[in-house]
Amino acid sequence: SQQGEEDPQALSIQEGENATMNCSYKTSINNLQWYRQNSGRGLVHLILIRSNEREKHSGRLRVTLDTSKKSSSLLITASRAADTASYFCATDGTGTASKLTFGTGTRLQVTL
Amino acid sequence: DADVTQTPRNRITKTGKRIMLECSQTKGHDRMYWYRQDPGLGLRLIYYSFDVKDINKGEISDGYSVSRQAQAKFSLSLESAIPNQTALYFCATARTSNTGELFFGEGSRLTVL
Repeated sequence: SQQGEEDPQALSIQEGENATMNCSYKTSINNLQWYRQNSGRGLVHLILIRSNEREKHSGRLRVTLDTSKKSSSLLITASRAADTASYFCATDGTGTASKLTFGTGTRLQVTL
Repeated sequence: DADVTQTPRNRITKTGKRIMLECSQTKGHDRMYWYRQDPGLGLRLIYYSFDVKDINKGEISDGYSVSRQAQAKFSLSLESAIPNQTALYFCATARTSNTGELFFGEGSRLTVL
């Protein structure tokens, strides 16, 4: 079964707008990671947030983590057409010896 | 050259055939993983290996086997392929740590007719 569930499943915005994706998970975690996948390609790591962190930034990316609600959000600011991709959260659960469990993903479409 | 290389990139086969997907890496990572991706289901872990002598089943190992021939090579086999094994398969590597990111290959698209 999937540990993470992303919401929404699909998101369409215009270039320049912000995109927010949410991830909910079920069990305690060591850390939560976000990955990006261009159509049919391999996943690329974007950012990692540890369970004792609440917010992290990397360039135009902002990730938040609320362990009490078992949820995370990924914000992409000032989106570009090149941001069009699928985005996945992945959790590294406590006691699971570094096995990432992936969510079902959010498909982001950024139009000009 | 890619750090994590998967072969073949595309394969069409028939039910009952034995298929091997190969993965090699030049990152020097100890940990290697095989994931399967199906539309709407995200990625699911098939097998993982933390070193050459360590092989572990993942979430969906039935119908699959693996071989860790060397630190740099991790192969996935389907002994007798069936149509519901049609999927996109990814190999990934990670450093030995509990918080490491995964580095993915470009994927192997398998179609079982």
